[in-house]
Amino acid sequence: AQSVTQLDSQVPVFEEAPVELRCNYSSSVSVYLFWYVQYPNQGLQLLLKYLSGSTLVKGINGFEAEFNKSQTSFHLRKPSVHISDTAEYFCAVRPRGGGSNYKLTFGKGTLLTVNP
Amino acid sequence: DAGVIQSPRHEVTEMGQEVTLRCKPISGHDYLFWYRQTMMRGLELLIYFNNNVPIDDSGMPEDRFSAKMPNASFSTLKIQPSEPRDSAVYFCASMSSGERDTQYFGPGTRLTVL
Repeated sequence: AQSVTQLDSQVPVFEEAPVELRCNYSSSVSVYLFWYVQYPNQGLQLLLKYLSGSTLVKGINGFEAEFNKSQTSFHLRKPSVHISDTAEYFCAVRPRGGGSNYKLTFGKGTLLTVNP
Repeated sequence: DAGVIQSPRHEVTEMGQEVTLRCKPISGHDYLFWYRQTMMRGLELLIYFNNNVPIDDSGMPEDRFSAKMPNASFSTLKIQPSEPRDSAVYFCASMSSGERDTQYFGPGTRLTVL
């Protein structure tokens, strides 16, 4: 089984400041990792995913994340945030490997609030 | 494409009533997922289908919940009888096997059971 911990439930920042949203996971098997964003009253949208290759993954809207296997972390970063980045961000994992197990396990989410 | 379509967007019902939530996936997508989002439990996968066949329903809470996918363009999630603890936002998502691991979510149905 997998579990995902998002260490901060809320992160307030000022516009143009850098931000890091933290995500740690626990799993008995190797996993794929994801970050999704949910804008108010909308469904989730995939920001980025780590499946293999370089541990630094770039996504949409200027976000990036780095997979650290030894620390079982997948923190999300953006060097300069905008008001429009205000949203809830979810980290998720699913088991790696054969078969078609696409069951995602999500963290509880981090609400990013960007203030002017 | 119009994206994943869910209806209704809001549903208010009384305890004991039957509730049916509907989902139309993106055309050509062969996977469909149903999720439930609550403050207490976060976002949970209830069930998912591949080519209209249920693959994993381990997240379905109890027998009061059932999901069907009669064809590639339509799925329902039914709760009968509904209870106040079923109040949540229910999301449908779809995915193409040609674009694995990118799920496209609908806008959700906010269900309130009084």
